[in-house]
Amino acid sequence: DTGVSQNPRHKITKRGQNVTFRCDPISEHNRLYWYRQTLGQGPEFLTYFQNEAQLEKSRLLSDRFSAERPKGSFSTLEIQRTEQGDSAMYLCASSLAQGPRNEKLFFGSGTQLSVL
Amino acid sequence: TQLLEQSPQFLSIQEGENLTVYCNSSSVFSSLQWYRQEPGEGPVLLVTVVTGGEVKKLKRLTFQFGDARKDSSLHITAAQPGDTGLYLCAGARTSYDKVIFGPGTSLSVIP
Repeated sequence: DTGVSQNPRHKITKRGQNVTFRCDPISEHNRLYWYRQTLGQGPEFLTYFQNEAQLEKSRLLSDRFSAERPKGSFSTLEIQRTEQGDSAMYLCASSLAQGPRNEKLFFGSGTQLSVL
Repeated sequence: TQLLEQSPQFLSIQEGENLTVYCNSSSVFSSLQWYRQEPGEGPVLLVTVVTGGEVKKLKRLTFQFGDARKDSSLHITAAQPGDTGLYLCAGARTSYDKVIFGPGTSLSVIP
């Protein structure tokens, strides 16, 4: 296993278009997170899954954002009707949450989205 | 409003100097973690602290968790150019809660 994989690495789109990103976690990991990061800032929580169940979605997240994790394996993040403010790095992380307080996140290299 | 605050936001030092960066919150955290991120890559976990007052060492890096589990510090001894990066603290407020991140400290070590 080579770690968390994200595709594409870069995406350029026009305002108003829909985009979809994919994340393949480490195979035995049961948790999967999506974060958004702008230059020089820390990752902002978007949503996370335990197996196929979406546990929480950020209240700051517009209804244009949706994420799925069918069968508890890979995940997709879709942004509808993109806006210039959506331009950011979208990071995926996975973890094996086995017990309290020992969760270790492993990140992919991210998808850099540019909305023109 | 950030649940986790970090200071300083930027730090530029000469090779060989020591430095400390801080992570603070008004909330109690079940655990805190420190990550290091390089440009164009995802963060990489350095350490997790779970017990109030805990100190962990990783070569030239020393991590401390505050007694009240509301703050943490990262001390680097004899900084090297390879230490350059964005240092992020992250934590979960309860044992099985989601992991959230602070805004980061951008460190630049000049040769």
